Amino acid sequence: AQRVTQPEKLLSVFKGAPVELKCNYSYSGSPELFWYVQYSRQRLQLLLRHISRESIKGFTADLNKGETSFHLKKPFAQEEDSAMYYCALSANNQGGKLIFGQGTELSVKP
Amino acid sequence: DAGITQSPRYKITETGRQVTLMCHQTWSHSYMFWYRQDLGHGLRLIYYSAAADITDKGEVPDGYVVSRSKTENFPLTLESATRSQTSVYFCASNEQGAGNQPQHFGDGTRLSIL
Repeated sequence: AQRVTQPEKLLSVFKGAPVELKCNYSYSGSPELFWYVQYSRQRLQLLLRHISRESIKGFTADLNKGETSFHLKKPFAQEEDSAMYYCALSANNQGGKLIFGQGTELSVKP
Repeated sequence: DAGITQSPRYKITETGRQVTLMCHQTWSHSYMFWYRQDLGHGLRLIYYSAAADITDKGEVPDGYVVSRSKTENFPLTLESATRSQTSVYFCASNEQGAGNQPQHFGDGTRLSIL
């Protein structure tokens, strides 16, 4: 079964601290993985996708196929990073449908 | 992304009533999706459409109906609303339905069923 798990509902850190939002997936093939971010009462926005291997707003994520993980990391959190983060998986040949994790709310305190 | 709009933004209705949520995109994307967002569940796919007149069920389709007579519109109808359908509904689109392409989301419709 295809599944995405984000074990932390809430992650609270202080400004300037490192942050890691965990994402594990279950999929037998080669998945496409994404991180989406939702700022307070706004639409979901794409943050990262694993094929791009880029850094957006200081965030990076590496696909680890051995551990079936796609954790999101940032070395120094900022208050404006406070938001809801969703990890999502898109299975091949399924029309781009996304399977989302439950989401992690990141709170960055001053 | 102003290219995908949802209406209404907020809706309050009563159990048993029919309600339709609208989604319109200006990109001519082939694929469109409806998700519901609930605490503890993240977003779950209700229905999706690969093109005009082609629709298919997602993870949680019961109680919902969709249509796609035109490429740019993908309305979602709750035929007889129930309290369990109180949620935030997001529409999204994707150019070709390729797995490595991101989806573009609308602002969402916050639906409350009393």
